[in-house]
Amino acid sequence: EVQLVESGGGLVQPGRSLRLSCTASGFTFGDYFINWVRQAPGKGLEWVGFIRGTAYGGTTEYAASVNGRFTISRDDSKSIAYLQMNSLKTEDTAMYYCTRQGSSGYPYFDYWGQGTLVTVSS
Amino acid sequence: DIQMTQSPSSLSASVGDRVTITCRASQSIASHLNWYQQKPGKAPKLLIYAASSLQSGVPSRFSGSESGTDFTLTISSLQPEDFATYYCQQTYSTIITFGQGTRLEIK
Repeated sequence: EVQLVESGGGLVQPGRSLRLSCTASGFTFGDYFINWVRQAPGKGLEWVGFIRGTAYGGTTEYAASVNGRFTISRDDSKSIAYLQMNSLKTEDTAMYYCTRQGSSGYPYFDYWGQGTLVTVSS
Repeated sequence: DIQMTQSPSSLSASVGDRVTITCRASQSIASHLNWYQQKPGKAPKLLIYAASSLQSGVPSRFSGSESGTDFTLTISSLQPEDFATYYCQQTYSTIITFGQGTRLEIK
């Protein structure tokens, strides 16, 4: 059974850092792109970024709103993806989901974690 | 970035109704369009990928179609468990974007 479990959320002050983890099981982790998606309270879904699978060099792409502040990485030996968030702003307050990106030539997010809540406040 | 515009933003309907939600892309996205359902307090769930392919396990009352840059999610006969928020998503660009969502409520 495919599972994704996020952890590491919590309350953090503006300007500080936080690292989220996404622990995967039930599939060959290194074969898949992993995305992070966030949802501010009462708002819609916002794509944060992704990391490509090993075969694609593990390179990353980010939304403009987080580019330069957030970094996605992966440890395929542990089946974990990370979202390092630096210089946090109050507008980064959101539920953060990690997702597995499936593809039949057309990418989609077929599995999602339950999310971890990040609150940025003084 | 590719903008995805969903309509309507909210919709009231009754059990048994046929419902249509539309998503318009700001440029051609060549069928790279997915639909998700989200219920309160839960993670989104994939319904339709590649504009019209039904995800495994999703009831056949859900269907997707496309016409140029316009995409449609149709629920043929609403069931009580279908009242939720629906999002479209384009994955044509490496910068992925979602529509703003359509909240489907019980009339």
